[in-house]
Amino acid sequence: KAGVTQTPRYLIKTRGQQVTLSCSPISGHRSVSWYQQTPGQGLQFLFEYFSETQRNKGNFPGRFSGRQFSNSRSEMNVSTLELGDSALYLCASKPLAEYNEQFFGPGTRLTVL
Amino acid sequence: QQQVKQSPQSLIVQKGGISIINCAYENTAFDYFPWYQQFPGKGPALLIAIRPDVSEKKEGRFTISFNKSAKQFSLHIMDSQPGDSATYFCAGLKETSGSRLTFGEGTQLTVNP
Repeated sequence: KAGVTQTPRYLIKTRGQQVTLSCSPISGHRSVSWYQQTPGQGLQFLFEYFSETQRNKGNFPGRFSGRQFSNSRSEMNVSTLELGDSALYLCASKPLAEYNEQFFGPGTRLTVL
Repeated sequence: QQQVKQSPQSLIVQKGGISIINCAYENTAFDYFPWYQQFPGKGPALLIAIRPDVSEKKEGRFTISFNKSAKQFSLHIMDSQPGDSATYFCAGLKETSGSRLTFGEGTQLTVNP
């Protein structure tokens, strides 16, 4: 089975722009979560989607949003980019909402200039 | 009350030695405690996990020790190998809250040959 796929792997944007990141979960997995990883703040939970519905949201401003499609693929969007949004954005999937183990993708490295 | 504190920040061990990483949590609602291993350029991968009704769990060279009263848990890597060199994250999860993992700050482990 193929793992979690994230595209693009690297992205450079300037302040004020917006960005959309994509995540394809492992086949059959219906839950997708997003995390932000930075040297200063570590790994922080952004949000979780299951069956196209947001189940949970972390403590991030409204500039961070996401969605999930009927095929379980997910996108996250960051509007009005700030320098502090530079981070590795990780997507994780799991088969069911009640399942504990999450399978992480390699991440998208976003650099905001 | 959501924090998980991890120490040390970095650890250097000789091949064949024991690596020990410690974590302390505040949220007593956590009921699942995983350890993740992350190599450069990769997403975190689940290494081993424990629930608070168990004081110890062993899988191969990896052991989690759990002290519920002290709200602490630790990862022991026996017979450490250069291939174990990676960043390790502990985490806590309240299972009814879905996928919202709260991670520790991470420990960069280097195993010298």
